[in-house]
Amino acid sequence: AQKITQTQPGMFVQEKEAVTLDCTYDTSDPSYGLFWYKQPSSGEMIFLIYQGSYDQQNATEGRYSLNFQKARKSANLVISASQLGDSAMYFCAMREVQGAQKLVFGQGTRLTINP
Amino acid sequence: DVKVTQSSRYLVKRTGEKVFLECVQDMDHENMFWYRQDPGLGLRLIYFSYDVKMKEKGDIPEGYSVSREKKERFSLILESASTNQTSMYLCASSLGGLDTEAFFGQGTRLTVV
Repeated sequence: AQKITQTQPGMFVQEKEAVTLDCTYDTSDPSYGLFWYKQPSSGEMIFLIYQGSYDQQNATEGRYSLNFQKARKSANLVISASQLGDSAMYFCAMREVQGAQKLVFGQGTRLTINP
Repeated sequence: DVKVTQSSRYLVKRTGEKVFLECVQDMDHENMFWYRQDPGLGLRLIYFSYDVKMKEKGDIPEGYSVSREKKERFSLILESASTNQTSMYLCASSLGGLDTEAFFGQGTRLTVV
């Protein structure tokens, strides 16, 4: 069964707009961690932000924030004031204690920022 | 800086060949991972290792095996390469713990002809 689901294969956004990338997950483990990575066309994987299942507040890192809704099992990435350099593939990922902490990813969302 | 190095950037192999993809990390990380990346399918976990000589199957282990004889090195082995194993292969490593980020290599684009 798919543990991480990203339902938006592609998104197109105007520069300077905010964008939300969706991620839902499936786990019965009370202790888990959620990650977002960016993959530009160069292919490197860049870590963006982390949210722990017991964290009381939504994680933020600069222009990135994570809208964590535990009851709905969603962990959406919000990028404020988008820039042309934000155009990339974005992947949501999860680690669970019961899974020996292996890291599993979703299908990804290709974000394109238009000038 | 953490460095994860994959031995080849591009590789072309023939059907039926035994293929070795090597990955080395220099930060004493406990965990190492092998993924394959295909358009529309994201990153799919092939195998995972949490210690020397310890391994766990990921979501798509069929046709692959792994070896971790030393902490810094994690090898992916295609016992008999097939055309459906043509893909981008990514290696990653991390410390133990739920909140530790994974660091990725540059990827190996494998083509099986």
